[in-house]
Parts: sequence; structure tokens; C-alpha cells
Amino acid sequence: EVQLVESGGGLVKPGGSLRLSCVASGFTFSSYRMNWVRQAPGKGLEWVSSISTGSNYIYYADPVKGRFTVSRDNAENSLYLHMNSLRAEDTAVYYCVREATHSNWFDPWGQGTLVTVSS
Amino acid sequence: QSVLTQPPSVSGAPGQRVTISCTGSSSNIGADYDVHWYQQVPGTTPKLLIFNDINRPSGVSDRFSGSKSGTSASLAITGLQAEDEADYYCHSFDSRLSAVVFGGGTKLTVL
Repeated sequence: EVQLVESGGGLVKPGGSLRLSCVASGFTFSSYRMNWVRQAPGKGLEWVSSISTGSNYIYYADPVKGRFTVSRDNAENSLYLHMNSLRAEDTAVYYCVREATHSNWFDPWGQGTLVTVSS
Repeated sequence: QSVLTQPPSVSGAPGQRVTISCTGSSSNIGADYDVHWYQQVPGTTPKLLIFNDINRPSGVSDRFSGSKSGTSASLAITGLQAEDEADYYCHSFDSRLSAVVFGGGTKLTVL
């Protein structure tokens, strides 16, 4: 079964840092571009970042550029999101998602991990 | 403001047909980038419903269908059922932003 399991969320103060992890199973992780997508409470989906199979191509949404860093470890089937200088508006459920190989749809989605930025 | 515009809500009675629009521009849908749709039942994670404009993943009911024309795409749901009550999101790519973009989401209420 294809599965993505996120962890690392929690409560952090404004200006703080957090590292999210996502462990993949049931497919060849190294063959897929991976993404992070977030959803603020009661709000819609917002793309955060993507990373290519070999980490050569990395992209970020404007709101997180310069503060977030995405990385992956193909040997460990793991995806990471390092978040620095966190703001209240970063409060959201963060989903790890797999991107299709020949197009760009997202499937599957992890169960998500909640990040709350509050003093 | 989302780059892709969806109506905030739609509703229909059981058995009826509803459509959800996703309006973009010449730098995303109008540039022929693929459009995908997701269903998110409250309290659950998003689920892929339609990919590459018109295709259904295995296991998705044929009551769901997608279409695209010009700078817009649409999701149609026929034979509405109570279980279809959820939020629906469209997804594409924008070449001007060089970014993945989502619609703001549409809440479907089954009356």
C-alpha cells in the first residue's frame, strides 16, 4: 500500500523553527517528485514547496521563500521541511504529497501534521 | 485571492446534477496546463478525483466528470448523494508564477 506519514508538527513561538518529516512506503520514493501542501484552519489548500527526484530542482511558494527549506533522503525514503522564522500565518496542517511522474497531479496525500505558531 | 477562481459554495438535491467551475487565465488553464480536482470530506485528507482534465482514477465513481475549455475547467457531479457533501479543489500550474496553484475551494451541500 502506498503510504505517506508525516510527523514533527507542534506548537512553536513566532520566530521559532520546526522540522517536519515524511516517511514514504509502498513505492519507489526516489522516482517521484515530492511536494508539501498546507491548509490553514478552515481555509483552502496552499502549495508550499516541491523537490525533484535527485534534489536538483527545488521550488517554493513566495510566502515561504527564504524561510523554509525542503530536502529529501532517498536512501531513507524520507522528505523533510525545515521551517525557520515561523509566523502566525504559517499555522496550518502540512501535507506531504507525491506528484505523478508524467504529469503533476498529487496522489496520495499523507494524513498531515499540524503546525501551530503562537506565543 | 486564489489564482484559480471557484465559487465558494454550490448545492443540489439528491439525484440532481451540479457543476463546479474553476476559472483561470492565459498563464495557467489557458496555457493548456493540466487541471486536477480533489475532494476533501470534512475532517479527512484531500483525495484525487479527476486528473489531467478529464480522467478518473480507478475507484472514483463515474458520476464525477471533468472538462476544460479556454481558461476554465469544470467538475460535474451527477446523481448527487449525501456522501458527496465535501469541499472540492481544482489544481493546475501557473507559468507566470512558476508555481503550483489551487482554487479557493467549493463547498458542496446536498440539500
